[in-house]
Amino acid sequence: QSALTQPASVSGSPGQSITISCTGTSSDIIGYDYVSWYQQHPGKVPKLIIYDVSHRPSGVSNRFSGSKSGNTASLTISGLQAEDEADYYCSSYTTSRSWVFGGGTKLTVL
Amino acid sequence: EEQLVQSGAEVKKPGESLKISCKVSGYTFTTYWVAWVRQTPGKVLEWMGIIYPGDSDTRYSPSFQGQVTISADKSINTAYLQWSSLKASDTAIYYCVRPTTTSMATFGYWGQGTLITVSS
Repeated sequence: QSALTQPASVSGSPGQSITISCTGTSSDIIGYDYVSWYQQHPGKVPKLIIYDVSHRPSGVSNRFSGSKSGNTASLTISGLQAEDEADYYCSSYTTSRSWVFGGGTKLTVL
Repeated sequence: EEQLVQSGAEVKKPGESLKISCKVSGYTFTTYWVAWVRQTPGKVLEWMGIIYPGDSDTRYSPSFQGQVTISADKSINTAYLQWSSLKASDTAIYYCVRPTTTSMATFGYWGQGTLITVSS
């Protein structure tokens, strides 16, 4: 199972919106609405911020939103804040009854 | 409060064996699967495998099949990940994870991670 494809880095200024893409195949993203996104600050444990493509866990800011089109899922962060600077990972359930992660995207808030 | 508490960091030599643990609390252990996720020094996340504590049904990623063993002890609410012969390339942080109550296909709860360093 190949890793999902994410851009290595994205950046934005405070207040702006950014979008991180996550591209998979017919074996994962296309086949299921089980895409999740995780935020990881340096030295910390990954934190779930989006599940099942577009659902936010309780306590996660509504500045975070998720979507999917075809074999690509996207995470959008609106009203960028300094605290959003972190690594972001996507994940999808697959037809092999397994999970696959993206390579991660480093978000820099300028 | 649901918690997954992992065993502490380990420093091992190549060829040595190791078993790390993930003790859960705050929920019924047999209700949810527990999976293991590896984070390499390059920060890549990899799903290793999963166990259903209720019946010990276990599945592995092809990348880890035969390389590790996942097990669980229902009597003490603990899942395990073990190696019989470590390699330097096993150096990483290992997380146990559990789904949320609203989606069985997502990693909603994470242990604090166990850092394994394999070096001669």
